[in-house]
Amino acid sequence: GDSVTQMEGPVTLSEEAFLTINCTYTATGYPSLFWYVQYPGEGLQLLLKATKADDKGSNKGFEATYRKETTSFHLEKGSVQVSDSAVYFCALSLYNTDKLIFGTGTRLQVFP
Amino acid sequence: NAGVTQTPKFRVLKTGQSMTLLCAQDMNHEYMYWYRQDPGMGLRLIHYSVGEGTTAKGEVPDGYNVSRLKKQNFLLGLESAAPSQTSVYFCASSYGRGQGSHGEQFFGPGTRLTVL
Repeated sequence: GDSVTQMEGPVTLSEEAFLTINCTYTATGYPSLFWYVQYPGEGLQLLLKATKADDKGSNKGFEATYRKETTSFHLEKGSVQVSDSAVYFCALSLYNTDKLIFGTGTRLQVFP
Repeated sequence: NAGVTQTPKFRVLKTGQSMTLLCAQDMNHEYMYWYRQDPGMGLRLIHYSVGEGTTAKGEVPDGYNVSRLKKQNFLLGLESAAPSQTSVYFCASSYGRGQGSHGEQFFGPGTRLTVL
């Protein structure tokens, strides 16, 4: 079935370090791909999205590229800040449905 | 715009009690969803609605009921709460594919429910 797999956390980094959070997916057809972020005690916020192969989504210094050949959508940021500490969820949405399928989330902890 | 709001924010129930969680959205979205979030399991879809007066089961519907009497509101009910329903509940909404959406959903702040 359709699924999303994320790297397990927590990911612990020092401020200004480079961030990569891996996400791969299994889907029939051509899904849209999303990264959501959840700050402590809050709901999920859409961070970025990509709707077709080779699209790059970007927002707040974060980027992710839709790689159809490797079925991946890895999240990257060149220089993380303490304020980026949160849980990050990768998700997909299939064209013929409006349901989101989520990965289990990756906790990022950034220390000064 | 308030976006998606949820009430209450916190609730403690005893086993067997009932309660209703309210979700409201002011974005004129067609689709609404209820999820539960448990440690290590991501978000799991409980029920969803593709329009006023419609509801459908998601991945984990047992023990829950829903109603969508008005387009802007989506209610989640627990008729007889069980400790296994201790979780954080999130409501979300979206435009739906027919309105140009690519599937992105907008989430409320969550309700933390504890069943003793």
